[in-house]
Amino acid sequence: DARVTQTPRDKVTEMGQEVTMRCQPILGHNTVFWYRQTMMQGLELLAYFRNRAPLDDSGMPKDRFSAEMPDATLATLKIQPSEPRDSAVYFCASAFWGTGGCTFGSGTRLTVV
Amino acid sequence: AQSVTQPDIHITVSEGASLELRCNYSYGATPYLFWYVQSPGQGLQLLLKYFSGDTLVQGIKGFEAEFKRSQSSFNLRKPSVHWSDAAEYFCAVGGNRDDKIIFGKGTRLHILP
Repeated sequence: DARVTQTPRDKVTEMGQEVTMRCQPILGHNTVFWYRQTMMQGLELLAYFRNRAPLDDSGMPKDRFSAEMPDATLATLKIQPSEPRDSAVYFCASAFWGTGGCTFGSGTRLTVV
Repeated sequence: AQSVTQPDIHITVSEGASLELRCNYSYGATPYLFWYVQSPGQGLQLLLKYFSGDTLVQGIKGFEAEFKRSQSSFNLRKPSVHWSDAAEYFCAVGGNRDDKIIFGKGTRLHILP
């Protein structure tokens, strides 16, 4: 089965450090989403891309978060500097838009201490 | 703006009993609708989707959902639940016009033996 690959699976970091999360979408998918999941807020859409172009990143704190797709096989989400309130599970998902729902990766569990 | 409401945070049913999880959405055009399931520590798995056509859609694991435009609802059903169905269920809405996929807060399903 084709799958979305996220790395790292778990990340513990100190407040103020830079964190980079990576996602390899399914080959041929043209849409990539980044979501953050917390108990309080549920699943929040942070940003998404179509054909590597950012379509909407209004869900991200702009001063510290950035999302990019340097090529079709890699999406990155960066937090600099990280804060304890960023602790959450971050999911990447990909889709070929219009043909079905998106496929989720296993997530990156981020803990900022 | 699009939104999804799942009015039940927790649902408890006995094994073998029928199940209905509620979902109401807000979207200005014909929506794309989805149900996902998440087991603890896992990513989200697509159960079923509605894009157009028959308003009763069949999914994996014996689930089905019915799109009712007049009620802005997309409720998930299963005639007989199994202990392995215990998980969190998310309803989501997207659309060709807006292209985002927005999730509800989820319903956690508990199964009594």
